[in-house]
Amino acid sequence: AQSVSQHNHHVILSEAASLELGCNYSYGGTVNLFWYVQYPGQHLQLLLKYFSGDPLVKGIKGFEAEFIKSKFSFNLRKPSVQWSDTAEYFCAVLDTGRRALTFGSGTRLQVQP
Amino acid sequence: DTGVSQNPRHKITKRGQNVTFRCDPISEHNRLYWYRQTLGQGPEFLTYFQNEAQLEKSRLLSDRFSAERPKGSFSTLEIQRTEQGDSAMYLCASSPGDSSYEQYFGPGTRLTVT
Repeated sequence: AQSVSQHNHHVILSEAASLELGCNYSYGGTVNLFWYVQYPGQHLQLLLKYFSGDPLVKGIKGFEAEFIKSKFSFNLRKPSVQWSDTAEYFCAVLDTGRRALTFGSGTRLQVQP
Repeated sequence: DTGVSQNPRHKITKRGQNVTFRCDPISEHNRLYWYRQTLGQGPEFLTYFQNEAQLEKSRLLSDRFSAERPKGSFSTLEIQRTEQGDSAMYLCASSPGDSSYEQYFGPGTRLTVT
């Protein structure tokens, strides 16, 4: 069965610091990976996705993620965070057979001004 | 706004009561999903419709849970004889059904069972 691990449960950064959130997955089929973000009081929104091709994918708001097949990882990065990036971030892998997403437990990011 | 909508946004019910939630997907999205999210966890898949056909159900979906999408548009999720363990956020998502597999989430219905 597929699974997603996000080892950082709570990250606190100062504005302008660099961000890297870890995501490791376990899935035996074709890998389709996503990062979703949930801002306080808002619904889940797609940040970026990887289906195939260039393993470095760019998303909205300056976020990027790198798919490293040998490490089963899909870490999220941003060179300089802003206070408005305070949110919960979820990594997910798609089960292409069931068309369902399997999510990690999320990382709560707190950016201090 | 043409995003996914869910009603009600909050529901408080007593143990043993039945509750029903509604999801209106983005129009023309033929795939619709239900997920459940508890505090400190990511969403967990419950069930999936393609048009009106329910194609997948998770083992999390006990016999007390039933979902429908009668005309391939909106969907309802009913929980019968609610238990305190059913307290969670119930999320609906829709997808256009093309090869992108992107899912667009609604705001959720927060259920509290007392």
